[in-house]
Amino acid sequence: NAGVTQTPKFQVLKTGQSMTLQCAQDMNHEYMSWYRQDPGMGLRLIHYSVGAGITDQGEVPNGYNVSRSTTEDFPLRLLSAAPSQTSVYFCASRYQANYGYTFGSGTRLTVV
Amino acid sequence: KNQVEQSPQSLIILEGKNCTLQCNYTVSPFSNLRWYKQDTGRGPVSLTIMTFSENTKSNGRYTATLDADTKQSSLHITASQLSDSASYICVVSAGGSYIPTFGRGTSLIVHP
Repeated sequence: NAGVTQTPKFQVLKTGQSMTLQCAQDMNHEYMSWYRQDPGMGLRLIHYSVGAGITDQGEVPNGYNVSRSTTEDFPLRLLSAAPSQTSVYFCASRYQANYGYTFGSGTRLTVV
Repeated sequence: KNQVEQSPQSLIILEGKNCTLQCNYTVSPFSNLRWYKQDTGRGPVSLTIMTFSENTKSNGRYTATLDADTKQSSLHITASQLSDSASYICVVSAGGSYIPTFGRGTSLIVHP
């Protein structure tokens, strides 16, 4: 099992550019989430999904879009990158609400 | 508002020594508490899970305790090794909620 796969691992964007962070899991997990991690702030929830076709906002959703067309994939779109979006992004999945997360290895994004 | 507070923020110990990390939470209704280990540049990995009825759980040299009355948990690391250098994150789930509450983590450095 590959678990949770995130691509790319590193990305540099210019302010105003858009991009999609990819996340795929092969564990048939219903729940998937996107977090960002900043120094001293811990992990903060951006968006989450409880199944294909169902998404909802987390704590810091502004500037990001998500969709969940399949159980396996949960891409995160940055609409118009800003320097404040410089961060490390983690995708995570879990079987059900009270189960533990399996995290991807992260995407380090720098916006200049 | 659900909150998870961890202490200390950072800790430096010598190899072979023991240490204890603390987690205080105000999450209601309590469902479970997990400790995650996050190595530098990697995603968090689950160490232990504790439910309301459990007060101690071990995973090798890691022992987690839970006091549901005082809403406190601790993670005790015995005979520390260099590989224990990481961030340790306490995560508490509330019953009926899709979104767990993350602490900001304790950064542990083990020196030879």
